[in-house]
Amino acid sequence: AQSVTQPDIHITVSEGASLELRCNYSYGATPYLFWYVQSPGQGLQLLLKYFSGDTLVQGIKGFEAEFKRSQSSFNLRKPSVHWSDAAEYFCAVGHLSGSARQLTFGSGTQLTVLP
Amino acid sequence: DAGITQSPRHKVTETGTPVTLRCHQTENHRYMYWYRQDPGHGLRLIHYSYGVKDTDKGEVSDGYSVSRSKTEDFLLTLESATSSQTSVYFCATVGGGETQYFGPGTRLLVL
Repeated sequence: AQSVTQPDIHITVSEGASLELRCNYSYGATPYLFWYVQSPGQGLQLLLKYFSGDTLVQGIKGFEAEFKRSQSSFNLRKPSVHWSDAAEYFCAVGHLSGSARQLTFGSGTQLTVLP
Repeated sequence: DAGITQSPRHKVTETGTPVTLRCHQTENHRYMYWYRQDPGHGLRLIHYSYGVKDTDKGEVSDGYSVSRSKTEDFLLTLESATSSQTSVYFCATVGGGETQYFGPGTRLLVL
């Protein structure tokens, strides 16, 4: 069965510092991978996705993620964090199950940005 | 933005009462999903639909039913609400590139 692990429940960084959020997945086939961001009281917004091809993918708001098959990882990075990046971040793996492609989510990483 | 609206956005109800949440989309997407979000669990799939009148169960379907009588609407019903169903409920649809897009959510409190 597929699963997603986000080992860091909460991360605190200073504004301007670099950021890496970890995501490990378990899936038997080539995965579809996603990162979503959720601001307080809001829905989920897609940051980026990986389906195939170049293993380094660029997303919105200056985020990027790298797919590493050998490590079953899809870590999210940003070189310089802004105060507006404070939010909760979710990694998800897409898989075909039943009659539709579904998403299995990690439990999320809460990001706090210090001034 | 997949043009997804959810109603109501907030609801307080009592244990044992029926509750229906509505998801409405304007993009004519075939696939629609209902999730619940709870601290420490991320989002978990309740039910999904792959067409009008075609639905299937997800990971946490017990106590929930769904209906889809037209493409744009996907209803989630709690037949007899329990306190364990206090949660935030999100609807999603699949747009281009097999990407799921999410609605704004409904906060449900069962007293």
